[in-house]
Amino acid sequence: EDKVVQSPLSLVVHEGDTVTLNCSYEVTNFRSLLWYKQEKKAPTFLFMLTSSGIEKKSGRLSSILDKKELFSILNITATQTGDSAIYLCAEGRDNYGQNFVFGPGTRLSVLP
Amino acid sequence: GAGVSQSPSNKVTEKGKDVELRCDPISGHTALYWYRQRLGQGLEFLIYFQGNSAPDKSGLPSDRFSAERTGGSVSTLTIQRTQQEDSAVYLCASSLVGSGLVGADTQYFGPGTRLTVL
Repeated sequence: EDKVVQSPLSLVVHEGDTVTLNCSYEVTNFRSLLWYKQEKKAPTFLFMLTSSGIEKKSGRLSSILDKKELFSILNITATQTGDSAIYLCAEGRDNYGQNFVFGPGTRLSVLP
Repeated sequence: GAGVSQSPSNKVTEKGKDVELRCDPISGHTALYWYRQRLGQGLEFLIYFQGNSAPDKSGLPSDRFSAERTGGSVSTLTIQRTQQEDSAVYLCASSLVGSGLVGADTQYFGPGTRLTVL
């Protein structure tokens, strides 16, 4: 069964640290790779990646996709306590429409 | 409104009852998605609507689950004969997919409905 794998599943760091979250996928009909931040009930969209090697940045967050090796990373520099959340990776498939396969998420805790 | 809205925000029901969850997508968004998130688990795709096309129901866990989208806008997710394992947060999202615009695939999520089946 096609699936999305994230690692680590849980991570505890201190403010100011840099973290790298990993997402690998093994699906066909790849369309896009998405990252979300989930703090409460509804995830917040972070990035959508469709092309290999092109880094997307938003403030202290950045992400890149490797379509050959089938993985993506999400980097967060100079972490803050407000970065504490679950970070979800999802692979967008292009079958008869578009649907998404989500990974289990990485639970990031940033301590003061 | 500016975002996706869902109602009710919380629903407590007894096992065996039917429930209806509502989603109002962002105006003009052609795509609408339903997801489920059980406690401690990741998001689980349920169903996808795109314009007037037949919905992608591949994620619905059983025939007790159904959804419809009237007039290409509001969607209702119905769960019949609820079971305790149906307890979860049900999230709705919408996007502009198909418009050809950059970033059109971005999904905007509603606040979710927390369903508790006793």
